[in-house]
Parts: sequence; structure tokens; C-alpha cells
Amino acid sequence: DAKTTQPPSMDCAEGRAANLPCNHSTISGNEYVYWYRQIHSQGPQYIIHGLKNNETNEMASLIITEDRKSSTLILPHATLRDTAVYYCNLKTSYDKVIFGPGTSLSVIP
Amino acid sequence: KAGVTQTPRYLIKTRGQQVTLSCSPISGHRSVSWYQQTPGQGLQFLFEYFSETQRNKGNFPGRFSGRQFSNSRSEMNVSTLELGDSALYLCASSAVGFEADTQYFGPGTRLTVL
Repeated sequence: DAKTTQPPSMDCAEGRAANLPCNHSTISGNEYVYWYRQIHSQGPQYIIHGLKNNETNEMASLIITEDRKSSTLILPHATLRDTAVYYCNLKTSYDKVIFGPGTSLSVIP
Repeated sequence: KAGVTQTPRYLIKTRGQQVTLSCSPISGHRSVSWYQQTPGQGLQFLFEYFSETQRNKGNFPGRFSGRQFSNSRSEMNVSTLELGDSALYLCASSAVGFEADTQYFGPGTRLTVL
């Protein structure tokens, strides 16, 4: 079973920030938080990952709470092309990745 | 660098047949993982190969098997196909380094079993 829980769906207005939450209350010390997204049956696309600190790249920002039990993926200015299913996973170097059902994000014009 | 490639992209088979799918990882990547995606079950982990050895395995029957070659290319085989094997099969490669590794996915092979 997946070790993360996410809301099944969210809406976001185009141009606004999309904040996608993820709960991982049983995370262990060496597990990284990974985010991927999948656009309409294409292969999932890597977005960002982090261990303890907040991270930012050209696609998104990742905010991890101090106790590491939850995180938030932020898409700063959502566009229609960001409509996708977003997956939050936990992974160590040698573990398999278990995907949950993810959050279906709809960006609305 | 070229991305992960999978062949064929689409495949139609009949029940009882077998099928082999191929995955070429990103150059330099030594780990290849396979996933099955269906509308009802979502993305499910099949297995992972690293340096030609199966390192992790999901909960699939023995009809599903795989292998990895010395150049890191991987194949998965499904024998005695069932209707329920109709799915998108995805492979992902990763470098396997010091940090937990980012997986890069291919476009998938869409298998239809009639």
C-alpha cells in the first residue's frame, strides 16, 4: 500500500498558484519525498524531490513540514497544461516506488 | 540525452498468447523498473532490475517476468495472456547514485488482449 495520502481531486484557476498537499505521517528518516505528474496516459514526469529542506526548481516548489509528516507541492502560476494527475511518493535508494491514486488537478480557464 | 524508449508502443494480442516488451533506459542508467497501469488499479509496480539482477518485485503472478541485459536494456514477458492484462506498461530508468534516485519514465506500451 502507498505510504502517502492525497486528495483525489482539486481545481485551480489558471494563473493562480496550485497547492497540492500530501500526508506521509509514517515517513522514515531516510525516505525522500518525490513528486511526479502524469498527463493523460503519458509516462509520469518527474517534478521535484526533497528530504528535509524546501526545494524549488523551474517547475515547482516543494514545502516539507518540519516534522516531515506532510508536504505541499506548489505550482506558482498554473496553466492549462498543468492539468494532470499528481503523485506524491516516498523512496529510499533501494526501495521500490509505490504509487497511490494521486490528485487529479484541473486547471480552469 | 535521449529519453527512455519503449517498443512497441501499441500491441494487440489474444488470450493465451505471450508478449515481450522492450525498454531502453537513458544512457548511463543502470536501474530499470516496470509498472502496469490500469484504470481500476492505477500504477502498480511489477519489478526492478539493477545490473542484470532483479532487485525488487511487486505482487504479480509468475506469468510476468523480466530480464536486464549487460547494456541495461530490459525486457518484460507476459505468458498466457489474460483479458485483465490489458494495460499500459511503463518502464522507468534511474541512475542509482548516492541520493535516492529519480525515475524517468518512457511513453509506455499499450497492450490490448482480446
